Amino acid sequence: DTGVSQDPRHKITKRGQNVTFRCDPISEHNRLYWYRQTLGQGPEFLTYFQNEAQLEKSRLLSDRFSAERPKGSFSTLEIQRTEQGDSAMYLCASSPTGGASYEQYFGPGTRLTVT
Amino acid sequence: GDSVTQMEGPVTLSEEACLTINCTYTATGYPSLFWYVQYPGEGLQLLLKATKADDKGSNKGFEATYRKETTSFHLEKGSVQVSDSAVYFCALLPTGANSKLTFGKGITLSVRP
Repeated sequence: DTGVSQDPRHKITKRGQNVTFRCDPISEHNRLYWYRQTLGQGPEFLTYFQNEAQLEKSRLLSDRFSAERPKGSFSTLEIQRTEQGDSAMYLCASSPTGGASYEQYFGPGTRLTVT
Repeated sequence: GDSVTQMEGPVTLSEEACLTINCTYTATGYPSLFWYVQYPGEGLQLLLKATKADDKGSNKGFEATYRKETTSFHLEKGSVQVSDSAVYFCALLPTGANSKLTFGKGITLSVRP
């Protein structure tokens, strides 16, 4: 088990462009989470999947953001028409169901810079 | 809504000094409480956890006790090392939910040799 992986690790884009990030959770984990972390702040919850179902979305997730987990395995987070305020670290985490389901395991993050 | 408040940082200590990082929370019911650590250039790692009142979480010489009466979960270590230099986040998971963690702002610890 190699842990949660995210791709790319860094992304620089111009304002107005679309970007897509990928997260591969730990293989036996049913739950997958996306968080956003800005400089000097703790991570903030964006959205959460159980298998392929998106169960909760934060108000932080504007209409320009969309997340999918089509086969209940990897997930993608797309940001359309990026803005400078979208610059942040995007973190993915996964957790199992059952007794240890409260433990979320985080990936290394994708750092987005919008110029 | 739920919230986590951490003491202001950064904190700079000499090696072998004692560490206390304060964390208080606001939540209904009995949330689970966590400390995560982020080493330079790495992702968040779970350091320790406590799931009910008076539980003590411990790992790598760090300890934190879930205090319901003071809604606190302070992180302590008796003798810090240079390798403990990192950012530390306190977080809570609401009662009965297995969804979003709510994090504090984090505090940067630097340990001098």
